[in-house]
Amino acid sequence: KNEVEQSPQNLTAQEGEFITINCSYSVGISALHWLQQHPGGGIVSLFMLSSGKKKHGRLIATINIQEKHSSLHITASHPRDSAVYICAVSSEETSGSRLTFGEGTQLTVNP
Amino acid sequence: EAGVAQSPRYKIIEKRQSVAFWCNPISGHATLYWYQQILGQGPKLLIQFQNNGVVDDSQLPKDRFSAERLKGVDSTLKIQPAKLEDSAVYLCASSPRGGMGETQYFGPGTRLLVL
Repeated sequence: KNEVEQSPQNLTAQEGEFITINCSYSVGISALHWLQQHPGGGIVSLFMLSSGKKKHGRLIATINIQEKHSSLHITASHPRDSAVYICAVSSEETSGSRLTFGEGTQLTVNP
Repeated sequence: EAGVAQSPRYKIIEKRQSVAFWCNPISGHATLYWYQQILGQGPKLLIQFQNNGVVDDSQLPKDRFSAERLKGVDSTLKIQPAKLEDSAVYLCASSPRGGMGETQYFGPGTRLLVL
């Protein structure tokens, strides 16, 4: 079993829909990261959070430390949101800033 | 501020050949990471440098992979000899200090295909 699991693996939505991507982890963490990866490989950090909720534009990330679960929400989705969304954790059990990654959720938003 | 630079962007080689990738992190960032991302999977850390020293190389296949960051700035990752299963995107990232939970900044990656 992976330490970080995401669901769904693939998600197709219509423009304007509200989208939720889930991440569950099995280790103690110091922080959880949500990352966005566009075709071509480059990765952009969206959020880093260790408690509560963060919002940036149409993106909202929440984390429940007790349940070891985080969600990434996209409101009013747009085709340009199409990308792979990756959850990663900084584990308390590993050295320094090492990240453990989920396998990603491929999001496609159709016009 | 310039981002993390990587080259080449794409590389195609035959198995048993050698290949090298280059990364220049964000200026002033002490910590540099090399990740391997196989298609359909999340990135996997290969090696982490703090300045010019290795912090974590536990997942680096040392029989064929090597990496160096001699002056604590840019870094080279080498594969010698390459195998088919090395086909992946190789991502370089950097962070200011390498502290727990610190944001990492990723380069565009080098896409390697081994035939």
